[in-house]
Amino acid sequence: EIVLMQSPGTLSLSPGERATLSCRASQHISGSYLAWYQQKPGQAPRLLIYGASSRATGTPDRFSGSGSGTDFTLTISRLEPEDFAVYYCQQYNGSSWTFGQGTKVEIK
Amino acid sequence: EVQLLESGGGLVQPGGSLRLSCAASGFTFITYAMSWVRRAPGKGLEWVSTAGGTTYYADSVKGRFTISRDSSRNTLYLQMNSLRAEDTAVYYCAKGGDNLSYFDFWGQGTLVTVSS
Repeated sequence: EIVLMQSPGTLSLSPGERATLSCRASQHISGSYLAWYQQKPGQAPRLLIYGASSRATGTPDRFSGSGSGTDFTLTISRLEPEDFAVYYCQQYNGSSWTFGQGTKVEIK
Repeated sequence: EVQLLESGGGLVQPGGSLRLSCAASGFTFITYAMSWVRRAPGKGLEWVSTAGGTTYYADSVKGRFTISRDSSRNTLYLQMNSLRAEDTAVYYCAKGGDNLSYFDFWGQGTLVTVSS
């Protein structure tokens, strides 16, 4: 099973600042089968990025994904008030899917 | 508009059974893989099971849970047997993307509580 480690666990930032979230895999992820989700309290997760760097329909362009192999990054260029939430990375290896433990982006 | 509506959650005793349903609309159900993902209280997301051309299960539920789908009713199911306290979670139904690798639409979830 591929394990995903997200860092940091919590990111304390102010609106307007840049957020950089990391996701590191225990093994190579092929085909850039890496996605990012946002989840707010009491809500369902929302797909932001798939294929490591493709924005899902409706994802604002302040969100960008990058990386390959075992190291991936989600960047939020300028935090808006609605961006404070928990973010998860997720991988697929052909027969199973796993999520990272999440990064909480909180208001400083 | 894609809609996924889960039902069937509730309180069940350890060792008991429960069947979750997910009614899907707004897309061609038969074309896409469908999955269950859960979030236990205070924890992160955990993939549970996926049904496409083949069915897949997380090791934590293999042999206890069964995923199925009824294309005539556009409905996904999860039969959960031998439930344990650690199965307590909100269970989400999720639609697969254009490839199997991600989940592009999610339901609002149904809460399953396993407790005596």
